[in-house]
Amino acid sequence: EPEVTQTPSHQVTQMGQEVILRCVPISNHLYFYWYRQILGQKVEFLVSFYNNEISEKSEIFDDQFSVERPDGSNFTLKIRSTKLEDSAMYFCASSDRTGADGYTFGSGTRLTVV
Amino acid sequence: EDQVTQSPEALRLQEGESSSLNCSYTVSGLRGLFWYRQDPGKGPEFLFTLYSAGEEKEKERLKATLTKKESFLHITAPKPEDSATYLCAVRGTGNQFYFGTGTSLTVIP
Repeated sequence: EPEVTQTPSHQVTQMGQEVILRCVPISNHLYFYWYRQILGQKVEFLVSFYNNEISEKSEIFDDQFSVERPDGSNFTLKIRSTKLEDSAMYFCASSDRTGADGYTFGSGTRLTVV
Repeated sequence: EDQVTQSPEALRLQEGESSSLNCSYTVSGLRGLFWYRQDPGKGPEFLFTLYSAGEEKEKERLKATLTKKESFLHITAPKPEDSATYLCAVRGTGNQFYFGTGTSLTVIP
């Protein structure tokens, strides 16, 4: 069964450093997303990406964040100048045009900012 | 504002003891209510999509139903491997999902 792959599974970074989280969505999917889940809290939407541009973003997704699809397979989330409160699980997801089968989520990257 | 509330927060069942999880929602222009299962340290795993009141979906021991204001996930004769957190999410006029906080289900052998 096709899956969304995320790397690394766990990243520890110092406050103020930049991190790049990587995702390989399902190959025939057209819509890509980043969500995050702070420990013990809800899964929260960050951004959606379609046709090489951001289609929607939440209030969380401020200038500190950026997304990119650098080639035909990867989808990345960059966090500039990380803060302690950025510590969370970051999930990448992808969907087909209809989204009728929900989104397929990756297993996540646990980001720890120290 | 679009909102999703799940209850109970946690549920412990004996193996074989059926029960229901609740998801109540307010959303502008519902374009789908989704149920996911999440195991510890993993991403949400898709279970069902429901679109209109009265709709029902089934998969093994799980059955999801939808009304205009809430959805239920019925678990019939659960087994220990059904232990997980069950998440409800709604999609409104945009493409983003609004998730509830989930119900943590523990099934005791």
